[in-house]
Amino acid sequence: AQSVTQLGSHVSVSEGALVLLRCNYSSSVPPYLFWYVQYPNQGLQLLLKYTSAATLVKGINGFEAEFKKSETSFHLTKPSAHMSDAAEYFCAVSDKAAGNKLTFGGGTRVLVKP
Amino acid sequence: GAVVSQHPSRVICKSGTSVKIECRSLDFQATTMFWYRQFPKQSLMLMATSNEGSKATYEQGVEKDKFLINHASLTLSTLTVTSAHPEDSSFYICSARSLGSGRAYNEQFFGPGTRLTVL
Repeated sequence: AQSVTQLGSHVSVSEGALVLLRCNYSSSVPPYLFWYVQYPNQGLQLLLKYTSAATLVKGINGFEAEFKKSETSFHLTKPSAHMSDAAEYFCAVSDKAAGNKLTFGGGTRVLVKP
Repeated sequence: GAVVSQHPSRVICKSGTSVKIECRSLDFQATTMFWYRQFPKQSLMLMATSNEGSKATYEQGVEKDKFLINHASLTLSTLTVTSAHPEDSSFYICSARSLGSGRAYNEQFFGPGTRLTVL
C-alpha cells in the first residue's frame, strides 16, 4: 500500500527566505510523486511531478523537488519565499499497484511573514 | 487546456434533502473521474473512482447508497449526496483523467471544489 507523510503541518517563513517542505513516501513499486498547492476554498493546482525521468524536478512559481529513492523522499523547495506562496501544500503518491490512484499526505500550511 | 469545472461552487441545504454536484472536463475527454472530500484543515480523501459507462468503485467506508455517482459521458460526472446530514458538510473536489496517450502516467486535473453545508 502506498502512503505519504508530510513532516510539519505548519511552516512559517520570512519573505525572501528558503521554503522547505518535507515529504516521505512508501510505495511497493516505483512511484509517481506530486506536489500540489491549494489556496483557500479552491481546488488543487499541480506544482510539479516526478514520473521516473530526472530526479530533480522543476515546477511552476520557482518551486523544485528532488526525488531521493534511498531516502524515500520528495522534498519541495523554493529559494526565496514570496507572500503569494502562503497556501496549503500537499504531497501525493501514485503507483500502478494502486491503480494510479492518488494518495495525499496530510498537508503543510505555509505562512509567509513580511 | 485541461480545465475541470464544478457546479455549484457552494450549496447550503436542509438536513434530509439531496444535493447534486456536477464535475465537467471542459476541453478534454475524461475516461476516469475521481471524487474526493476534504474536511476543514485536513487532507483530501478519495471517495470513489468513476469510469465512463460503468459503475463507480467506492473506497472502503464510503456508503455508495448515500453518495451516488454517475459518469454518463466522457465529460460529465455527478455526485449526489442523498438525505444529507450536517456531518456530510464538507468540501467536495473532483478530478478528471484523460484517455491514455501513450504516456506512463496520465495526470489528474482537479476541479475548484464545491462547499456543501447541511443545516
